[in-house]
Amino acid sequence: QVQLVESGGGVVQPGRSLRLSCAASGFTFSTYAMHWVRQAPGKGLEWLAVLSSDGTNKNYADAVKGRFTISRDNSENTLSLQISSLRADDTAIYYCARDRPSLDIWGQGTMVTVSS
Amino acid sequence: DIQLTQSPSFLSASVGDRVTITCRASQGISYYLAWYQQKPGKAPKLLIYSASTLQSGVPSRFSGSGSGTEFTLTISSLQPEDFATYYCQQLNSYLYTFGQGTTLEIK
Repeated sequence: QVQLVESGGGVVQPGRSLRLSCAASGFTFSTYAMHWVRQAPGKGLEWLAVLSSDGTNKNYADAVKGRFTISRDNSENTLSLQISSLRADDTAIYYCARDRPSLDIWGQGTMVTVSS
Repeated sequence: DIQLTQSPSFLSASVGDRVTITCRASQGISYYLAWYQQKPGKAPKLLIYSASTLQSGVPSRFSGSGSGTEFTLTISSLQPEDFATYYCQQLNSYLYTFGQGTTLEIK
């Protein structure tokens, strides 16, 4: 079935880097743009980044531009998010989602906790 | 950047009620708006896209309308499983902002 599975979350110290992954299955990954969205504990959804199907066009929310890097490997059906200089306010569940163009398929999320 | 403002932020209603949630955009976004439902501990679920098109599998009691800067999500007759948080999202610009959310609670 159509599925997205995130991984790579955990407890990370402030200032460190982290790479999140999103494994896609059940659909032709290479034909869809993909997004990352996060949700801090008890807060709303925050859109982070989008990457085109071929990986050539990307956009970031102003709040994360320069620290977050979205990428994909269409041969491995994998989307990634590299986060650098982690801060306490990066603590959140991170979701990947398929662009249809609305976000029609979401993963279950991976939790990132930034704490010393 | 385009800002989305949902109203109300909290809504208390009963099973069987008709409820409407509004999403206002800071500038015109044509019909490039989607609505999502999120239940505690779960990922968001797409309900409506292109402002008024019902996503496959979503019950017909959900409907969306609007264009430009004002949009509404209507649930015609609330069911117990509809108590959740609802978000709008604009897809007009390449900064796909969400509204702040509307939590629908049981009265």
